[in-house]
Amino acid sequence: SYELTPPLSVSVDLGQTATITCGGNNIGSRNVHWYQQKPGQAPVLVIYNDNNRPSGIPERFSGSNSGNTATLTISRAQAADEADYYCQVWDSNTVLFGGGTKLTVL
Amino acid sequence: QVQLVESGGGLVKPGGSLRLSCAVSGFTFSDYYMSWIRQAPGKGLEWVSYISTTASNIYYAASVKGRFTISRDNAKNSLYLQMNSLRAEDTAIYYCARSEWGIWFDPWGQGTPVTVSS
Repeated sequence: SYELTPPLSVSVDLGQTATITCGGNNIGSRNVHWYQQKPGQAPVLVIYNDNNRPSGIPERFSGSNSGNTATLTISRAQAADEADYYCQVWDSNTVLFGGGTKLTVL
Repeated sequence: QVQLVESGGGLVKPGGSLRLSCAVSGFTFSDYYMSWIRQAPGKGLEWVSYISTTASNIYYAASVKGRFTISRDNAKNSLYLQMNSLRAEDTAIYYCARSEWGIWFDPWGQGTPVTVSS
């Protein structure tokens, strides 16, 4: 079965750029979606179809997907961006989530 | 304003049953796929099931297939999850989410907790 392999944790200095990856075999051929989840809250979609932002999501959030790696990029990281981030793909009528990446803003 | 409100969670013994509900408002419910997604304590997200607009297409995760049944009532703007033969590993917060063709999920409800324990 298909597997997604994100890092367990990523840290970024305040105001710098955070990069969260999601690995998968030829993931570039799939559409990848990203969710942000803060403690005690429901997940929020921040990127869909690799690089599209839902309304209300800041332009600081962007995505890319090529080869074996999809990437969520957060520019000018803020304290409020500290959260768990999950990548997700659709695969043969099932849905797969990556295990989640904890983003720490230093 | 789009709202999804889950209910029906609680404490149940192993082997027991529970029915979750998700009441939605703020959008045309019958136009969208809907899904249930769960999160065990301290763990990541796990997709459970999704249902198409007319319930003609329904899919389940392998971990719940044969035990859980998803359904919807478009007249009542409501989504349901009937959970039977519950196990300790089904303990989680259960979220309902609006889905684009079953492919991505936006928005999500606040979740309802389910605890399976003797």
